[in-house]
Parts: sequence; C-alpha cells; structure tokens
Amino acid sequence: EADIYQTPRYLVIGTGKKITLECSQTMGHDKMYWYQQDPGMELHLIHYSYGVNSTEKGDLSSESTVSRIRTEHFPLTLESARPSHTSQYLCASSDGGGVYTEAFFGQGTRLTVV
Amino acid sequence: SQELEQSPQSLIVQEGKNLTINCTSSKTLYGLYWYKQKYGEGLIFLMMLQKGGEEKSHEKITAKLDEKKQQSSLHITASQPSHAGIYLCGAARMDSSYKLIFGSGTRLLVRP
Repeated sequence: EADIYQTPRYLVIGTGKKITLECSQTMGHDKMYWYQQDPGMELHLIHYSYGVNSTEKGDLSSESTVSRIRTEHFPLTLESARPSHTSQYLCASSDGGGVYTEAFFGQGTRLTVV
Repeated sequence: SQELEQSPQSLIVQEGKNLTINCTSSKTLYGLYWYKQKYGEGLIFLMMLQKGGEEKSHEKITAKLDEKKQQSSLHITASQPSHAGIYLCGAARMDSSYKLIFGSGTRLLVRP
C-alpha cells in the first residue's frame, strides 16, 4: 500500500481565494510530481521535484507554484483561484535511485472553483 | 506534444470477453508502466516492463513490450466488471530528467 497522502480530497472554493493542496509521502522518495488531470483522463505534468529545494515546471503551463523544503512534503499553491483551475490534481512520488522505479500516487484532490 | 499514444480511447466489452489496449511511442522507451485508475481516485500500479520482448502477467492481465521498446499492449482475459476503469501507460522521458509522462488513457467499461 502506497504511503502518499493528499489533502483535501475535495475542495470547493470561490474565485480569487488562495489555496494550498497538500501532498506528503513517508517513503523517503526523492522525486515528486504534480499532475493535472482533465475530465477526459489525460494526465499533464505541471510540477516536478528532484529533491529538497529542487523544483521545475512541467509540460503544462500552470499558474500554481510548489515548494520542496522537506523530502516528504510537496505542497501546491494557487495564489488566486479561478474557474479554469477546476480539475483533479494528483501527486506522485518515486525513488530517485534509477529510471526503472514505479511512481506511487495519492488519491487526488478534486478542486472546483466557483 | 503527446509522446505516448494510447488506443482505443474507450472500450465497452461484455463480461467474459478478452480485450487489448495499446500504447505507442515514437521513441525508444527506458521502461513502460501500466496503471489503472478508478474514477476520481489515484492511480494504482499494475506492471512495469523494462526489456524488449518482455511479458508480465498478474491474474488475468498480461502486458507486453515489443522488441524495439516502442510499443506495449495490455491484454485482459475473460474480463469482469471489476476490470472497469481507466488504464494509463506511462514512461520516463528520454532525457536527463526522466520525468514520468503518461498516455491519454483508455476508459474501459465491462457490461455484466
């Protein structure tokens, strides 16, 4: 069973609010990821971290920001939420030791901005 | 641009039927991962294939990676309603980042 947790599971929030989506893992993994998933299924990488104090933008441009101050924690922040941010957000982690390591996923946060 | 192409996009089968989902890359892959997702939830790891020609099975699901490591198939034998969900193939990007990217997904519905 994967030890990676996302909170909250569901969030409905008004336009303009600042929000932080939490992601924590207890496996000591170096790599962590944030994906945004369309209603149609496709996962888009929006943020990536190699390790503490190392973050990069992903393939899909996102107005969100991330931080990696501790190995186990990779929060995602939206300074001013908009309806276009409504989506499912998935966090994942993998062992940074090699290429052939599976990624473990959290249960996701379904965000609705009204 | 989409680097992993999945087909079909959706699939409806009668319980007991076999089915195959395909995942294709224009580049040689380091490794290929198959995940399953229940609606609104996270991804569950199914299998990872590393070597050209490799084949792995778990219960009624078999995954294969071709010799060139550019195409993979996921085959379900005697499908059951519990197999329903979204199947996604993933791979580490072929650059120094090894970022994990995914195909567009296949939505499977199994009718009892």
